[in-house]
Amino acid sequence: DTEVTQTPKHLVMGMTNKKSLKCEQHMGHRAMYWYKQKAKKPPELMFVYSYEKLSINESVPSRFSPECPNSSLLNLHLHALQPEDSALYLCASSQVAGGFETQYFGPGTRLLVL
Amino acid sequence: AQSVAQPEDQVNVAEGNPLTVKCTYSVSGNPYLFWYVQYPNRGLQFLLKYITGDNLVKGSYGFEAEFNKSQTSFHLKKPSALVSDSALYFCAVRALSGAGSYQLTFGKGTKLSVIP
Repeated sequence: DTEVTQTPKHLVMGMTNKKSLKCEQHMGHRAMYWYKQKAKKPPELMFVYSYEKLSINESVPSRFSPECPNSSLLNLHLHALQPEDSALYLCASSQVAGGFETQYFGPGTRLLVL
Repeated sequence: AQSVAQPEDQVNVAEGNPLTVKCTYSVSGNPYLFWYVQYPNRGLQFLLKYITGDNLVKGSYGFEAEFNKSQTSFHLKKPSALVSDSALYFCAVRALSGAGSYQLTFGKGTKLSVIP
């Protein structure tokens, strides 16, 4: 089983709202990722968690706050977003971090900020 | 900088014909190369990867890719295209990120359209 699940599938939020995106995997992977993808563009890495610790933050604005409660779950907390933050947010996981292990992606959450 | 390039924004091929989606890479050291496919409104699906070994890598859904060190290429191929292969294809390479760790860096993507 190589499934990564993400909820919700779609999210519409105002610029003053607080919302969270959730990601779950049960493959025993110890690395989990958040990517942002604009339409017809490649995914851009936001955060990497390795063994439940934040190992990479690609200079993401503080209005995005990741959390890894345990080895199977990854959250992305959103607060005071801007319309330009509207995008597809993808979660992925791999056996370990380092770029040589296959990353398995979830279906994504399509976010619209009004 | 370590990167991959996908020179074609779009590739059109007739159903039943062979298809090729091109990717070239620029890395120092041994390359770790990946192909992913993305269907509309979906996440990325892993197709295949090259780490070491045989230059011809076989993957999911009948796809294969040929690693060519002298040409620094990793083109994706399929002998007979299906309409259902129409999607966005991303080549990716293990590269040093701005944070100083190795992560995946993606090409800009190639839209494949298979015409019935």
